[in-house]
Amino acid sequence: GQQVMQIPQYQHVQEGEDFTTYCNSSTTLSNIQWYKQRPGGHPVFLIQLVKSGEVKKQKRLTFQFGEAKKNSSLHITATQTTDVGTYFCAGKEAAGNKLTFGGGTRVLVKP
Amino acid sequence: DAEITQSPRHKITETGRQVTLACHQTWNHNNMFWYRQDLGHGLRLIHYSYGVHDTNKGEVSDGYSVSRSNTEDLPLTLESAASSQTSVYFCASSELSAGQETQYFGPGTRLLVL
Repeated sequence: GQQVMQIPQYQHVQEGEDFTTYCNSSTTLSNIQWYKQRPGGHPVFLIQLVKSGEVKKQKRLTFQFGEAKKNSSLHITATQTTDVGTYFCAGKEAAGNKLTFGGGTRVLVKP
Repeated sequence: DAEITQSPRHKITETGRQVTLACHQTWNHNNMFWYRQDLGHGLRLIHYSYGVHDTNKGEVSDGYSVSRSNTEDLPLTLESAASSQTSVYFCASSELSAGQETQYFGPGTRLLVL
């Protein structure tokens, strides 16, 4: 079945620095979504990418979908303490409505 | 405002007992999902439903069952709880709108099986 891998599993970032988390699928995706889960909370939708090579920005967050629609990345610039949490990518195959989630990247920010 | 709720929020049970976790959404979404979240495994799909009387197995369905008698509810039953089922359980619902299908998650249920 479809597998979605995320690296790194943990990311310790100094406040103000940039970092990137990567997501790779074993199969071609129809779209990819990103979610953020704050400590003790539930996953919250951030964005969906559909087109090959698509890039979307949300303030300091930049999301990219690979040309082959099998990988994606999330880049955060000038990390803030509010960025703490776990970021999940979730891939959707062409058929059906279910998502396959990656294992997540847990981000810790050092002030 | 529309929302998705889960109950109980915390549950302690013993091995072998039957446990039912409730999920209720007022979004009127057709699609509903149950996930479990364990450290190092992210979110794994247990069961899902695309509408009333429709249920499907996810990647970790053994030991769990669901039923969908109406649009709003998708209860998850652990038929005979095992310690391996200690986890945080999230329910989610979704609907396709303007080419985008966002999953809305409930607050989660922390289950401890002793």
